Amino acid sequence: EPEVTQTPSHQVTQMGQEVILRCVPISNHLYFYWYRQILGQKVEFLVSFYNNEISEKSEIFDDQFSVERPDGSNFTLKIRSTKLEDSAMYFCASSANEKLFFGSGTQLSVL
Amino acid sequence: RKEVEQDPGPFNVPEGATVAFNCTYSNSASQSFFWYRQDCRKEPKLLMSVYSSGNEDGRFTAQLNRASQYISLLIRDSKLSDSATYLCVVNKGDYKLSFGAGTTVTVRA
Repeated sequence: EPEVTQTPSHQVTQMGQEVILRCVPISNHLYFYWYRQILGQKVEFLVSFYNNEISEKSEIFDDQFSVERPDGSNFTLKIRSTKLEDSAMYFCASSANEKLFFGSGTQLSVL
Repeated sequence: RKEVEQDPGPFNVPEGATVAFNCTYSNSASQSFFWYRQDCRKEPKLLMSVYSSGNEDGRFTAQLNRASQYISLLIRDSKLSDSATYLCVVNKGDYKLSFGAGTTVTVRA
């Protein structure tokens, strides 16, 4: 069964450092998303991406965040200068319609 | 009012019991609805879609009440493996999905 894959599964970084989280969506899907979940809290929408551009972003997705689809398969989330409060599980998702398929997540810890 | 509200629980039930919980949504233009299941520290996984008045899949039944703007999920004959957090997700249109905070269900032996 096709699945969304995310790497790395865990990322530890120092405050102020840049991180890139990587995702390979399901190959025939057209919509890509990043969500995050702070420990004990709800899943929060960050950004959606369609047709090589951002289609929607939340208030969380400020200038420190960017997304890219550098080739035909990868979808990345970059955080330019990480803050302590960026520590969370980051989920990538893709869809062909409105049903989301999530990757297993990257646990980001900012120290 | 939050876009999607759920009773956080926890709902603590014995094996074999029936458990039901609701989700309310604020946007009356919402078009479709989903229940996702999330195990601790894992990714959400689609459990059921709800497009019209309801949907049934084995022991799981989802119902939609558009007039009162809520969706319910009922689990019959609950199993230990049903212990999880159930996320209500609402499609506001144009693939814009809103997540509820989740309802925690614990099934005990």
